[in-house]
Amino acid sequence: DTAVSQTPKYLVTQMGNDKSIKCEQNLGHDTMYWYKQDSKKFLKIMFSYNNKELIINETVPNRFSPKSPDKAHLNLHINSLELGDSAVYFCASSQARDTDTQYFGPGTRLTVL
Amino acid sequence: AQSVTQLGSHVSVSEGALVLLRCNYSSSVPPYLFWYVQYPNQGLQLLLKYTTGATLVKGINGFEAEFKKSETSFHLTKPSAHMSDAAEYFCAVSEGTALIFGKGTTLSVSS
Repeated sequence: DTAVSQTPKYLVTQMGNDKSIKCEQNLGHDTMYWYKQDSKKFLKIMFSYNNKELIINETVPNRFSPKSPDKAHLNLHINSLELGDSAVYFCASSQARDTDTQYFGPGTRLTVL
Repeated sequence: AQSVTQLGSHVSVSEGALVLLRCNYSSSVPPYLFWYVQYPNQGLQLLLKYTTGATLVKGINGFEAEFKKSETSFHLTKPSAHMSDAAEYFCAVSEGTALIFGKGTTLSVSS
């Protein structure tokens, strides 16, 4: 039974389009995250939600908007896609404490043409 | 702000040889440290973590790491490499609940 799932796994789209990536966790965790992994494999936190409330919002363009309809879901909506948005986006979840293990989804490879 | 430096973007070893992946951190508070592994086209999986207590931490797949406060290091080791260990390895420090990652080390294992 998949712990953290993301859809779609691959996403190819044109510049200027709007797209969404969905994430669901069945671990009962309080906190969910979005990370971006660039072409050099560098991972960086984008957002963090705790019990549906935004607690971390790193410096990302406001074209990126996370939405958490409930504790088990954290979706990422991206407006007006740019070439530089091409990356692998990972969703993760954990309990709320900073010692807790984060469990990662399989990633969504976004390619903007 | 906390940071992590992984020395060596690429490490190559022979099967059966010692694996040593280096990680140094910068933190103004007692750090919580993690090692994650990423196999090709997959998400990240926790290998081990240090929070408090024993400074030598054992993880999955025969890996271990030692927290050395005086050296601000958390190096990952495995006595004998296996072909299946070839992957990307990330050291991370927690900042609040977010993880701050190093740039990763690619481990190659040759037969």
